Amino acid sequence: EAEVAQSPRYKITEKSQAVAFWCDPISGHATLYWYRQILGQGPELLVQFQDESVVDDSQLPKDRFSAERLKGVDSTLKIQPAELGDSAMYLCASSWDRGQVAGGQTDTQYFGPGTRLTVL
Amino acid sequence: SQQGEEDPQALSIQEGENATMNCSYKTSINNLQWYRQNSGRGLVHLILIRSNEREKHSGRLRVTLDTSKKSSSLLITASRAADTASYFCATDASGGGADGLTFGKGTHLIIQP
Repeated sequence: EAEVAQSPRYKITEKSQAVAFWCDPISGHATLYWYRQILGQGPELLVQFQDESVVDDSQLPKDRFSAERLKGVDSTLKIQPAELGDSAMYLCASSWDRGQVAGGQTDTQYFGPGTRLTVL
Repeated sequence: SQQGEEDPQALSIQEGENATMNCSYKTSINNLQWYRQNSGRGLVHLILIRSNEREKHSGRLRVTLDTSKKSSSLLITASRAADTASYFCATDASGGGADGLTFGKGTHLIIQP
């Protein structure tokens, strides 16, 4: 069964350093999402891509976070500089877009294993 | 901000019993999804129910949706130790092209052997 791939699985860094996370969605999925999950809470959306275009980045802290999906396939999320409060699980998800789903509705989002970030 | 609220926050039952978790949300939705998360792992999709559906089954799972009350429930029958995990409901708000899910804080389910 196809899965969303993420790397690294774990990352420890010192504050003020730069970190980057990579995600490879399920083949054919046009829509890709990045979420952040703080311990004990549910995930919160950071950014949504449709192919290579950003659809929603309203919750992305743009002063330090950036995300790209240059060829509309895999994606990178970067934090520079990292702060202590960025310690969290970073989850990537993908789905078929509305145009690919019968009835034009949104569909199931499939999540990767996540990257656990610890900022010291 | 988190739209969904799961209830209870924590639930401990004996193996073989049924577990029921509830979810309430605030805005109109396209669909509602339930996910399971084992400690420190990614989310596993369990079931999706669309706004025009009232009930859905998948194996030992039964999900209901009441859009008039903006609430959903997840029933796990004949629970097993392997069902121990956190369960999240997530909603996909209707309208617009932004399809990101809004999650609740989750219900932590413990199945006692």
